[in-house]
Amino acid sequence: DAGVIQSPRHEVTEMGQEVTLRCKPISGHNSLFWYRQTMMRGLELLIYFNNNVPIDDSGMPEDRFSAKMPNASFSTLKIQPSEPRDSAVYFCASSPPRDGRFPYNEQFFGPGTRLTVL
Amino acid sequence: QQPVQSPQAVILREGEDAVINCSSSKALYSVHWYRQKHGEAPVFLMILLKGGEQKGHDKISASFNEKKQQSSLYLTASQLSYSGTYFCGTEKGGSQGNLIFGKGTKLSVKP
Repeated sequence: DAGVIQSPRHEVTEMGQEVTLRCKPISGHNSLFWYRQTMMRGLELLIYFNNNVPIDDSGMPEDRFSAKMPNASFSTLKIQPSEPRDSAVYFCASSPPRDGRFPYNEQFFGPGTRLTVL
Repeated sequence: QQPVQSPQAVILREGEDAVINCSSSKALYSVHWYRQKHGEAPVFLMILLKGGEQKGHDKISASFNEKKQQSSLYLTASQLSYSGTYFCGTEKGGSQGNLIFGKGTKLSVKP
């Protein structure tokens, strides 16, 4: 099975530009998470979707950040306008519904997108 | 509400043991452990649930003290492949696996 797919893997942009990060969760998973990782702040949860519905977006830093999940197989995280302090690695993760095979809420992380805003 | 991990970093020789601690200021219902190797994504190791249920990992075990709101990860007879940063995560309310991660413990295993 393919794991979580993220694109692009690397993004370099200039301050003020719009950035869109993409994620395809593992098929059959019903929860999706966006994280940001920096040396200073560690791994921070930005937003969490369950069955395509945003459940908790309290981690979204400010209105410049927005996330959507139009269907079960695709999600985007958009930053508009981008700033140098947004430079980080952004991870998308998905987790399956609890059942006999996956009785726990383990999360499967994608490879991440390394964003650099100049 | 971010859990606190200790130590921040540890260096071991192959074959040595290590303990990584995770504590929280709020009541815990579960503790999740992940490992992240340099330049890679975090990978799930195990979960410990209130009541003692857990999912284990070969040669890596953990404990969960609900009263003390603490969990400890035990790495026995460490191997080079154990190197990486270990994160504990606690659920941010509810039971959907919405996690808050600690800042991590960097483990380096030397030959």
